[in-house]
Order: sequence, then structure tokens, then C-alpha cells
Amino acid sequence: QKEVEQNSGPLSVPEGAIASLNCTYSDRGSQSFFWYRQYSGKSPELIMSIYSNGDKEDGRFTAQLNKASQYVSLLIRDSQPSDSATYLCAVNEGNTGFQKLVFGTGTRLLVSP
Amino acid sequence: GAVVSQHPSRVICKSGTSVKIECRSLDFQATTMFWYRQFPKQSLMLMATSNEGSKATYEQGVEKDKFLINHASLTLSTLTVTSAHPEDSSFYICSARRDRGPHNSPLHFGNGTRLTVT
Repeated sequence: QKEVEQNSGPLSVPEGAIASLNCTYSDRGSQSFFWYRQYSGKSPELIMSIYSNGDKEDGRFTAQLNKASQYVSLLIRDSQPSDSATYLCAVNEGNTGFQKLVFGTGTRLLVSP
Repeated sequence: GAVVSQHPSRVICKSGTSVKIECRSLDFQATTMFWYRQFPKQSLMLMATSNEGSKATYEQGVEKDKFLINHASLTLSTLTVTSAHPEDSSFYICSARRDRGPHNSPLHFGNGTRLTVT
């Protein structure tokens, strides 16, 4: 059973702080990793994708990938109340090409003003 | 950017009736689309993979005769929940990936359909 694990939270941070969201996965063959943000009652929206070990930065967001440890994280700098949402980690199954994404249960982030 | 349109956004139906949900890729072709279901406070669970011009591939535990999928064109997939029951009440979300994109390009999601069966 391929799994993606996330702490459900909530993770509470004050406005302006760095929020750190973590995710581990079980399928060593996975090659593509995604972070989605989901507001309550809405569908997920893509925040970041990462495919290689190391860091990838996009604005206030940094994704970090460590395939040896089967670990992927998302850092949000200068957190804003509008960042309050559930963040879903998604991993594609190793040998299915682009076909299947397995989602974690999500981490709820609360950014207080 | 890629846009996926899903309709209706919300539907309430009586137990025993059928409901059809449409998913359209608006500015790209998608040979493959995916249907997910999300129960409250749970993650997205893949129900089936919709393939244009061929039968859908269902995940284990998903009844193909209950959740009918039709992918008749490169931009449209439909999910029909047949003989709906209250336990089918959920948030149904479709997604698609651009056909000519990289094999590892991300999925784009529709806005979801909130189904309530009374």
C-alpha cells in the first residue's frame, strides 16, 4: 500500500513567521512531488512541484525534496492569514508515469494576524 | 494556464436518483482525466481514471456499475452516480493533465461538485 503521510495539524503560526509543512512517502520509485493548497469547500490548487533532490523556490514558497529519506517539505515565508488552508502533499506512483497521484491527508495551517 | 471546468458545483438529489457531473478541459486536450472523491476531513481518494475512447479504470473498491464514466471527447469526461444513496454524499473532483505536457506535469483540478443525497 503506497502511502503519503502528513501531520494533520493544525499548525499555528503568527503572521510573518515561517510555516514548515512536512510529508513522507513510502514508494521509493516516486519521481514527482506536488504541494496543493485547499481552502475549505474548494478544490485543490497547485502551489509547487518538485522533481529533483534539493530546494526549489517560488516567491514565498520553498519546496524541499530528499529522496533518500523519502521526505518532502514546504516552507512558507512571511506567512499571511490568507495562507490559512489545508496543504496537501501529493506523490505520483513510481512507475505509472504521470498517471496516478496519491495524496496525503493534508496539514491544516492557521496563520494568526 | 490550464483550466478545468466542472459542473454542477452543487447538487442535491433524492435517494435512488442518478446524478451526472461534467468535467471539461477548457484550453487543452486531455486524453486522460481523473475522478476523485473527498469525504469531510479526509484526503482526496482516486476513484477512477477516465480514458478517452476506452473504458475507465476503476480503483479497488469503487463500483463501476454505480459510478459510470464516459470520456467521449478529448475535452469532456462525465461521471454519473447511479441510484444515489446518502452514503454517496461527498465532494467529487475531477482533474486533468495537458496531453502534450511533460509526463510529470501536474494535475489541474476542477472546482468540485458537492453532492448531497437526501
